[in-house]
Amino acid sequence: TQLLEQSPQFLSIQEGENLTVYCNSSSVFSSLQWYRQEPGEGPVLLVTVVTGGEVKKLKRLTFQFGDARKDSSLHITAAQTGDTGLYLCAGAGQAGTALIFGKGTTLSVSS
Amino acid sequence: ETGVTQTPRHLVMGMTNKKSLKCEQHLGHNAMYWYKQSAKKPLELMFVYSLEERVENNSVPSRFSPECPNSSHLFLHLHTLQPEDSALYLCASSQDNGATPRFQYFGPGTRLTVL
Repeated sequence: TQLLEQSPQFLSIQEGENLTVYCNSSSVFSSLQWYRQEPGEGPVLLVTVVTGGEVKKLKRLTFQFGDARKDSSLHITAAQTGDTGLYLCAGAGQAGTALIFGKGTTLSVSS
Repeated sequence: ETGVTQTPRHLVMGMTNKKSLKCEQHLGHNAMYWYKQSAKKPLELMFVYSLEERVENNSVPSRFSPECPNSSHLFLHLHTLQPEDSALYLCASSQDNGATPRFQYFGPGTRLTVL
């Protein structure tokens, strides 16, 4: 069974701080997606990484896919209160198979 | 606005009630999904429909019954639920061509409470 472990489970920081959250597995994924979910809403896709070692930047967010395609990280620079939410990673196996989701990291950014 | 809508947004029901959740996608996708999201657990995939045919059923109890009348609509019929079925039920859609990962777009969810 493929599993995705996310860490930390909870993170509470001040506005302006930097942070990194991690998504790890013993399995290889063909791609990995990051979602953010706000209270009372569904997850919203932020980015998809496909190539081992790939780095993608989305404004203050930097996503990296591990060389072996087993892990990924999300780094946020100068966090803002609007970054508050649940960050989920999801891995895709072979083409056509269902996504595997981690439990998520709950981020709280206070002013 | 993600292009996937769900109704109702909140539902409270007794264990003997029968109710249905509705999902509609406006993205022209050909695959739709039901997920269950409980506290402290990963999203649990319940059902997958591709081209209106059920392609995955992940050992979901028969008190949950999905229906996909066309590629834009998905229902989850509920009957004789248990309190542990209380959760956020999320619908998602994707364009599935069998060759690329399924990039899924989620609806806002229905918060279900079973008394």
